[in-house]
Amino acid sequence: NAGVTQTPKFQVLKTGQSMTLQCAQDMNHEYMSWYRQDPGMGLRLIHYSVGAGITDQGEVPNGYNVSRSTTEDFPLRLLSAAPSQTSVYFCASSYTRDQERWPLHFGNGTRLTVT
Amino acid sequence: KNQVEQSPQSLIILEGKNCTLQCNYTVSPFSNLRWYKQDTGRGPVSLTIMTFSENTKSNGRYTATLDADTKQSSLHITASQLSDSASYICVVSHDFYNQGGKLIFGQGTELSVKP
Repeated sequence: NAGVTQTPKFQVLKTGQSMTLQCAQDMNHEYMSWYRQDPGMGLRLIHYSVGAGITDQGEVPNGYNVSRSTTEDFPLRLLSAAPSQTSVYFCASSYTRDQERWPLHFGNGTRLTVT
Repeated sequence: KNQVEQSPQSLIILEGKNCTLQCNYTVSPFSNLRWYKQDTGRGPVSLTIMTFSENTKSNGRYTATLDADTKQSSLHITASQLSDSASYICVVSHDFYNQGGKLIFGQGTELSVKP
């Protein structure tokens, strides 16, 4: 059982380039989300999805797009990379959005550097 | 402002010793509080969860306490092992998360266990 798989593990981009961070889960989870983790700060929610075809913005959505065409996959697209997007990105999923019953399952992250 | 503050920022202890990590929150209304463990280079993994009515919860050598009146939680680690070296993150659910509330993440306490 793979859980939540993120690719790539590391990526370096130049300012203005675009790319897609991949996230896949094999647990049939309805809820999927993207977070960024920066030094000295708590994880911050970028975008989330409560099911295939449904997405919504989190607290720091600017510069990022998402789509959810299948239950398993939830890619995060950087439209035009900026140095401020240098961060570690985590994809997380849970059975439903009810975190009291279902904890988030995190992938192992993508470390992104924008030069 | 809804915030989660953790202390200390970092902690070094000797293998076999006990330690206690603190979490203070100003999140209101409060739904539940969860502690996650994050190993270096990995995603966070859930350790315990407590709702408003619970004041203690154990998971092996990890014991979490919650005082909802003072808005404080602690994570006590007993007989520490080298594998306990990690970042410990306190996460508070604001309102009813499954009905549109959100998660507030602390910045984490970095624990290092030395032989």
